[in-house]
Amino acid sequence: EADIYQTPRYLVIGTGKKITLECSQTMGHDKMYWYQQDPGMELHLIHYSYGVNSTEKGDLSSESTVSRIRTEHFPLTLESARPSHTSQYLCASSETRVQGYNEQFFGPGTRLTVL
Amino acid sequence: GNSVTQMEGPVTLSEEAFLTINCTYTATGYPSLFWYVQYPGEGLQLLLKATKADDKGSNKGFEATYRKETTSFHLEKGSVQVSDSAVYFCALSLNTGNQFYFGTGTSLTVIP
Repeated sequence: EADIYQTPRYLVIGTGKKITLECSQTMGHDKMYWYQQDPGMELHLIHYSYGVNSTEKGDLSSESTVSRIRTEHFPLTLESARPSHTSQYLCASSETRVQGYNEQFFGPGTRLTVL
Repeated sequence: GNSVTQMEGPVTLSEEAFLTINCTYTATGYPSLFWYVQYPGEGLQLLLKATKADDKGSNKGFEATYRKETTSFHLEKGSVQVSDSAVYFCALSLNTGNQFYFGTGTSLTVIP
């Protein structure tokens, strides 16, 4: 079944730790995205990728980094977690179409708490 | 620029009440329009979509019509249920672009 997966779903970690949030999709989509969702619900785009070896920063500045070595995998890394990184992180993917809309599919999210 | 403005919440309704969540947009091209729903503890799910003017998207009793003349895509449901309690996001995408533009979300709570 085609889907998009995120692990872990919940993570509680201490300040200064390095963490990687995993995102994988089985739909063969070329585009992938990371959003940060604050408690007020608003979504902020922090990273996106057009395809393998392509990564771009989004509208909201983030200390995280991403990589896209394989089409299906788009992990996000924080080298040194801080309490200000506490948030919900949502991964999404979409397919490039010559015409028509490019609907985004979302994973279930990772809720990160940094103590 | 491109942006989406949606009705601020939270919205609280009694079961079987009529729901309207307003959404207006600004776009430099010809956007496709979407409504997404987020249930507690989950990611966003596509609720409905419309790709051109006058199209009506519908799903699970929800409807929205793409109105180019008023640049609107209001979400409606005739009779809400407790299970409709969630956060609703209006969004647009330009066919030539790589990004979505999301509204700020509207929280809906339906009480029995």
